[in-house]
Amino acid sequence: AQSVTQPDIHITVSEGASLELRCNYSYGATPYLFWYVQSPGQGLQLLLKYFSGDTLVQGIKGFEAEFKRSQSSFNLRKPSVHWSDAAEYFCAVGATDRGSTLGRLYFGRGTQLTVWP
Amino acid sequence: GAGVSQSPRYKVTKRGQDVALRCDPISGHVSLYWYRQALGQGPEFLTYFNYEAQQDKSGLPNDRFSAERPKGSFSTLEIQRTEQRDSAMYRCASSRTVTGELFFGEGSRLTVL
Repeated sequence: AQSVTQPDIHITVSEGASLELRCNYSYGATPYLFWYVQSPGQGLQLLLKYFSGDTLVQGIKGFEAEFKRSQSSFNLRKPSVHWSDAAEYFCAVGATDRGSTLGRLYFGRGTQLTVWP
Repeated sequence: GAGVSQSPRYKVTKRGQDVALRCDPISGHVSLYWYRQALGQGPEFLTYFNYEAQQDKSGLPNDRFSAERPKGSFSTLEIQRTEQRDSAMYRCASSRTVTGELFFGEGSRLTVL
């Protein structure tokens, strides 16, 4: 069965510092992988996704993630964090069937990011 | 606005009452999804529709939960005989195509006393 592990519940970084949020997944076939961000009182917003091809994926707001099959990981990175990046971040894996997503995403429990000025 | 709209945003009910949560997807979106998110957890899949057809309801926790999307537009998630353990944020999402990006609404927070 599919599952996602985000080992860090809470991370604090200083503004301008680099960021890496960890995500490990469990899935037997080629996964579809996603990172979402959730700000207080808002819905989840898609940051980036990996379906196939280049393992380094660029997203919105200066985020990127790298798919590493050998490590079953899809870590999210940003070279310089801004105070507005403070939010909760969720990694998710999607089931696939004959190349099409089946609509069911499995989310990790999330990582809360605090940014110090 | 043009995003996914959910109502009510907040619902407080007494144990044993029935509740209905509504989701209006982005106009023209084919697929509609329901997720539930408990405090400190990630969203958990409940069910989803392509047009009016319910494709997967395996995430519904028990038979007190049901969902419909009668005309392929808005959807209603119904919870009968609510229990305290049903308290959570219920999130709806829609996508333009079956394989497309999910756009989430702001959620409906249900509190069962």
